[in-house]
Amino acid sequence: LAKTTQPISMDSYEGQEVNITCSHNNIATNDYITWYQQFPSQGPRFIIQGYKTKVTNEVASLFIPADRKSSTLSLPRVSLSDTAVYYCLVSGYSTLTFGKGTMLLVSP
Amino acid sequence: DGGITQSPKYLFRKEGQNVTLSCEQNLNHDAMYWYRQDPGQGLRLIYYSQIVNDFQKGDIAEGYSVSREKKESFPLTVTSAQKNPTAFYLCASSIGGQGSYNEQFFGPGTRLTVL
Repeated sequence: LAKTTQPISMDSYEGQEVNITCSHNNIATNDYITWYQQFPSQGPRFIIQGYKTKVTNEVASLFIPADRKSSTLSLPRVSLSDTAVYYCLVSGYSTLTFGKGTMLLVSP
Repeated sequence: DGGITQSPKYLFRKEGQNVTLSCEQNLNHDAMYWYRQDPGQGLRLIYYSQIVNDFQKGDIAEGYSVSREKKESFPLTVTSAQKNPTAFYLCASSIGGQGSYNEQFFGPGTRLTVL
């Protein structure tokens, strides 16, 4: 059973790049990695998904090394509105495991 | 507007009472999910359904029950057997079920407080 581990919290300043890493040592061959963002009292929102190497979209990048035992969500030039909790999800045929989330606080 | 709705947003019940949380989606998604969220615990899967009239237990199904009689609806009943029912409950849906790697769309959540 895949277990995911993330830092509990991170601090940053506006305009900086933020990298949040998720550890998933037991990831299975057919599992994907997905990242979600959640604001207080709301449902999570999809950010990005990947299987290996690097994926980039308009809001973030996802880096996954060859062994796939970890993944890093990269948020370029964060703003105050990026203050939220970020979750990694490992999912596959027999897996659906969310991490406990990383609270990102962006300050002026 | 396409989306997933949960009602009510806040719900209060007395201990020992069963309570049913509503989840409806008009996205034509096959799969639906229920999660429980507690402070510092992330999201934990209660039940999921990949198709009408079929559902599977997640990691913390004890004390909960579900039904999936219609594609668009997946109600969750919190029974009196659930020892610590006070939590934030989230419903989600996706195009395909587990193993399909599809993005999950979440509802706004229901905050249940048992007094």
